[in-house]
Amino acid sequence: DTAVSQTPKYLVTQMGNDKSIKCEQNLGHDTMYWYKQDSKKFLKIMFSYNNKELIINETVPNRFSPKSPDKAHLNLHINSLELGDSAVYFCASRYGTGDTGELFFGEGSRLTVL
Amino acid sequence: GQNIDQPTEMTATEGAIVQINCTYQTSGFNGLFWYQQHAGEAPTFLSYNVLDGLEEKGRFSSFLSRSKGYSYLLLKELQMKDSASYLCAVSDSNYQLIWGAGTKLIIKP
Repeated sequence: DTAVSQTPKYLVTQMGNDKSIKCEQNLGHDTMYWYKQDSKKFLKIMFSYNNKELIINETVPNRFSPKSPDKAHLNLHINSLELGDSAVYFCASRYGTGDTGELFFGEGSRLTVL
Repeated sequence: GQNIDQPTEMTATEGAIVQINCTYQTSGFNGLFWYQQHAGEAPTFLSYNVLDGLEEKGRFSSFLSRSKGYSYLLLKELQMKDSASYLCAVSDSNYQLIWGAGTKLIIKP
């Protein structure tokens, strides 16, 4: 029944490691997103992706890369993790390709880099 | 630059009414959203306004004035479960969502 699911929910790792977070949506949505929420609670968009276009927030380091095997999945891969990458990462999806519809969020993945 | 302003924190009493304000300065406007986020959980959609005026949905209402760059979320008959952060977000001319930092609402008995 889960609409947008992310795994893992918690991730603790060492600096310099590479990790991935997986996201799947079963809503038939067209567009998926990755957001980062830091300790100050700002939600910052990292990527938006539909089957035609990947939009990257230019402030996101190229150590972060989205991978979409199909329309229902958008995984986030992070290379050479840094302390500042510690945050909660949310996957989200919506119908259509514009930003006027309701966003459905996953439960979040809390990443802690030691 | 683009900016969304909300109070950082508010406190209210169970059963009372609270109004959470949001002001915005964005390049274009394609609607304003309110989301609720309980601690440790994902944001969930509350409302969407694109035209001026008040939208009522049960105990929650959202108001928009595009000319003033202003919105508020009104919560009536407050319940303890309403303790959460409330996030204001604006869709700009490129349909990109600009998010505020959220208002943490504390409900006291």
